[in-house]
Amino acid sequence: QQQVKQSPQSLIVQKGGISIINCAYENTAFDYFPWYQQFPGKGPALLIAIRPDVSEKKEGRFTISFNKSAKQFSLHIMDSQPGDSATYFCAATRTSGTYKYIFGTGTRLKVLA
Amino acid sequence: GAVVSQHPSWVICKSGTSVKIECRSLDFQATTMFWYRQFPKQSLMLMATSNEGSKATYEQGVEKDKFLINHASLTLSTLTVTSAHPEDSSFYICSVYGDRARREQYFGPGTRLTVT
Repeated sequence: QQQVKQSPQSLIVQKGGISIINCAYENTAFDYFPWYQQFPGKGPALLIAIRPDVSEKKEGRFTISFNKSAKQFSLHIMDSQPGDSATYFCAATRTSGTYKYIFGTGTRLKVLA
Repeated sequence: GAVVSQHPSWVICKSGTSVKIECRSLDFQATTMFWYRQFPKQSLMLMATSNEGSKATYEQGVEKDKFLINHASLTLSTLTVTSAHPEDSSFYICSVYGDRARREQYFGPGTRLTVT
């Protein structure tokens, strides 16, 4: 019940296209869902996060869509650029009690120029 | 968000020796810090939660006598890998809460440890 399943494992998108990464969780107590971007040899950087009281959050080219009933959330990268090529991790946690993040397995995105 | 630094950024040590990794919160007083390890092309694995002034809480399967964590101040936590072996070679990353209420974690740049 602590797992966060992330797909796809890898993704290749043409420049200007839309990149979509999906995550599914099991624990209904999770109420905070961040996305991180990690470049090789670097630490993860917080990209965008959402709480279950909204169905969508947009920051620039990055959008999180959240489906509480399906226990799924996804990251959409609009107008994908070669500089977006990185590994993306979704995570889930509770804002009360335990503070651990449960991370997805990661998606390696490559945007072709 | 919080700015986190780690030192060193990479280190090579011989098998059987110990190595210390520092994690500093540069602009934020961090009562809680986290230590993760990451193997190539894998996700982040939480090793322990470090609380200032108290003992760290280790995740199941992490040897607390091998990975010593000290969080002596609100801006510094250290991870010491004792009697390192080649299988301890990994990417070690710390993180802090930038906003505890919102559960935002900010990560350091990581430390690449290679044990020969």
